[in-house]
Amino acid sequence: GQNIDQPTEMTATEGAIVQINCTYQTSGFNGLFWYQQHAGEAPTFLSYNVLDGLEEKGRFSSFLSRSKGYSYLLLKELQMKDSASYLCAVRDEGNNRLAFGKGNQVVVIP
Amino acid sequence: NAGVTQTPKFQVLKTGQSMTLQCAQDMNHEYMSWYRQDPGMGLRLIHYSVGAGITDQGEVPNGYNVSRSTTEDFPLRLLSAAPSQTSVYFCASSYMPGTVNSPLHFGNGTRLTVT
Repeated sequence: GQNIDQPTEMTATEGAIVQINCTYQTSGFNGLFWYQQHAGEAPTFLSYNVLDGLEEKGRFSSFLSRSKGYSYLLLKELQMKDSASYLCAVRDEGNNRLAFGKGNQVVVIP
Repeated sequence: NAGVTQTPKFQVLKTGQSMTLQCAQDMNHEYMSWYRQDPGMGLRLIHYSVGAGITDQGEVPNGYNVSRSTTEDFPLRLLSAAPSQTSVYFCASSYMPGTVNSPLHFGNGTRLTVT
């Protein structure tokens, strides 16, 4: 089975940097995904990590440590449109199921 | 290229009624899945399929049936609706897990209310 833990909410100022953490426990690991979900909309894919280290995509970066069961998503130069829920999801190696955490709500204020 | 298309967008059912939520994708994805999303619970996997003719249960399958007769379509059936099934339902698809960077692509969701 899988157990994924994320903090629930954080507030940050426009232009700032915010780090969203995700810890997980799984019997077999086959990749970690980050998604963004605006209120009332579908989740959209942000980043993917399967090996340890940092993946950078523009203003967003994601880090993975498989030995620690830990990932973070780093949002730089925050913009108002970044106000959303950020979902961490882990794929199980055995059955290929993708399990989601409950999401972290980020509120960006001027 | 429409991506993942879900219908209907909104639905109200009475307890005991049955209905089918439709999902179709045009990306030739082998993997398709259904999630429900409830406040404070996150996305929970209902059923999934790794190809035509193959389906399997997820975390919360009770009260739901699925079939996968074609690669494109993956309908979700509610057999006898209950108020506990009031939720937002998302269909999602991807290339086979294990291929490099195969993220799920989500439909726009179906908002279901059971009274």
